[in-house]
Amino acid sequence: GAGVSQSPSNKVTEKGKDVELRCDPISGHTALYWYRQRLGQGLEFLIYFQGNSAPDKSGLPSDRFSAERTGESVSTLTIQRTQQEDSAVYLCASSLQEGRYNEQFFGPGTRLTVL
Amino acid sequence: AQSVTQPDIHITVSEGASLELRCNYSYGATPYLFWYVQSPGQGLQLLLKYFSGDTLVQGIKGFEAEFKRSQSSFNLRKPSVHWSDAAEYFCAVAGGSGYSTLTFGKGTMLLVSP
Repeated sequence: GAGVSQSPSNKVTEKGKDVELRCDPISGHTALYWYRQRLGQGLEFLIYFQGNSAPDKSGLPSDRFSAERTGESVSTLTIQRTQQEDSAVYLCASSLQEGRYNEQFFGPGTRLTVL
Repeated sequence: AQSVTQPDIHITVSEGASLELRCNYSYGATPYLFWYVQSPGQGLQLLLKYFSGDTLVQGIKGFEAEFKRSQSSFNLRKPSVHWSDAAEYFCAVAGGSGYSTLTFGKGTMLLVSP
């Protein structure tokens, strides 16, 4: 079946512009996660959703970052007034349910470059 | 807060040789541990996981890992490396709300020489 998909695969933007990154989880997966991978770093947790609610958004680095999920399906990560330090690969994952026993399946990521 | 350390940024192994990638974790309770692999241009794929029970866990692609509580380690091993194993490997521990979020190490890049 189809895996997690993300769009766009690459995004180049100018400093100060807003960007939206999209994640389509595996059908039927109720939990959805966003991570960020900066060059030479491991993945950093940003936020996760169970259904359309976000029980944990502790990883969002600033109020320029926000995310929403609708219809217990698609999620959008929005970065306002982008800065060069936002350049990274943004990875989305989904799992059947929240919790450690449920494997997270990752998408291919969106590579964001802020000039 | 939990943390994961992968001390080796790069490792080069000859094809056919054995492999061990190191992972140390810091976590206050029983850890739930994972190894993921990331091949170029692809998303992360789960290799194996440890929740409880037998401390030696088997995964896909011939990988195994051993949980050692006394050393706070969860090292990944493979007896004979293939060129297709060249990739970046990440160790992770589950934590956060409902143990739902993963804290990752910075990764170890595996290079396989002929």
